[in-house]
Amino acid sequence: TQLLEQSPQFLSIQEGENLTVYCNSSSVFSSLQWYRQEPGEGPVLLVTVVTGGEVKKLKRLTFQFGDARKDSSLHITAAQPGDTGLYLCAGDETGAGSYQLTFGKGTKLSVIP
Amino acid sequence: GAGVSQSPSNKVTEKGKDVELRCDPISGHTALYWYRQSLGQGLEFLIYFQGNSAPDKSGLPSDRFSAERTGGSVSTLTIQRTQQEDSAVYLCASRRQGSSTDTQYFGPGTRLTVL
Repeated sequence: TQLLEQSPQFLSIQEGENLTVYCNSSSVFSSLQWYRQEPGEGPVLLVTVVTGGEVKKLKRLTFQFGDARKDSSLHITAAQPGDTGLYLCAGDETGAGSYQLTFGKGTKLSVIP
Repeated sequence: GAGVSQSPSNKVTEKGKDVELRCDPISGHTALYWYRQSLGQGLEFLIYFQGNSAPDKSGLPSDRFSAERTGGSVSTLTIQRTQQEDSAVYLCASRRQGSSTDTQYFGPGTRLTVL
């Protein structure tokens, strides 16, 4: 089973600060997804990255897929209390036609007003 | 409904009892997944249904766990003779198709507590 290691596990920051969350593996993934999960709800997809070196931006969130497609990062600029939640990365194990995702344990982010 | 729904939202049961968890996927989605999320852990894949194909049961942790999907729509996850280690949030997700390019939409989950 391929593993995804996320760090940090917990992160508590003040509103307005920047932060980066990491997702690392020794395995190569054909694509990687980032989700945000709020208490009592299921994860919601934020972005999918598929190309090594790819960078995607969603407002204040920047996602990067490593050149070797083994790692990814999520950077949040000027964090807001609404960014609070559990951030999960998930890798597509076997490429085109795959149907299973391997999830990391998540990073629990708290943004203090 | 517009999204994936699950019922019940919370279930408390006694050790040794059987429980059934229900998932209503988004209409027209052919792929359906069950995951388990334990405290401090990521999502653990349990089982996958795709259309009329035989389900992928490779993630089921023991033979006490089973799932079925009737008419290609509603799915039920059954846990027999529940144990305390079965306590977790059980999440269901559906996809339009089984391709990795399709988004997985998750339901809100069922929180199972085994006393």
